[in-house]
Amino acid sequence: DAGVTQSPTHLIKTRGQHVTLRCSPISGHKSVSWYQQVLGQGPQFIFQYYEKEERGRGNFPDRFSARQFPNYSSELNVNALLLGDSALYLCASSLEYGNQPQHFGDGTRLSIL
Amino acid sequence: GNSVTQMEGPVTLSEEAFLTINCTYTATGYPSLFWYVQYPGEGLQLLLKATKADDKGSNKGFEATYRKETTSFHLEKGSVQVSDSAVYFCALSDGSGNTGKLIFGQGTTLQVKP
Repeated sequence: DAGVTQSPTHLIKTRGQHVTLRCSPISGHKSVSWYQQVLGQGPQFIFQYYEKEERGRGNFPDRFSARQFPNYSSELNVNALLLGDSALYLCASSLEYGNQPQHFGDGTRLSIL
Repeated sequence: GNSVTQMEGPVTLSEEAFLTINCTYTATGYPSLFWYVQYPGEGLQLLLKATKADDKGSNKGFEATYRKETTSFHLEKGSVQVSDSAVYFCALSDGSGNTGKLIFGQGTTLQVKP
């Protein structure tokens, strides 16, 4: 079975632009979480979605938004990009909401020039 | 708030050496604890987990015991291989039982030399 897939794998943007990152969870998984991993640091939680509803939000500005579709795939949107948004963006899925292990994708590397 | 602190890296070992990577945490409630591994250019893979005090998680020769009295979850392996070279992250979930929000440490790089 396919794991968590993310697209694109790499992306280069300039300051002020917006970006959309995509994630397809493992088949049958209903929960998707997004993390930001700045180089040399651990991932930071951004959002969790379950059954198309936001179930958790980390300490990120309103420029960050996300949604989950009926097929449980998800998009992360970032507006008015800043240099500090350069990072690896990781998507993780789990079967249900609750005490389930997270399965991570390989991430999207976003570079802001 | 909840937090995780890992030992600074990089940790450099010779093949077959004993490995310990220290991890301590601060948390309210009863979090679950995890170790994830990240190989170059890849996402995170769950290595092992423990959901309550005194639980021992184990996988691929790695072990970690959930110590509530010392708020620790140290990762150990008796004999490392070159293929174990990677970045290791300690993480905790909040005490509500929802593991969709994980709090990670800063990561510890392990380099194993032949």
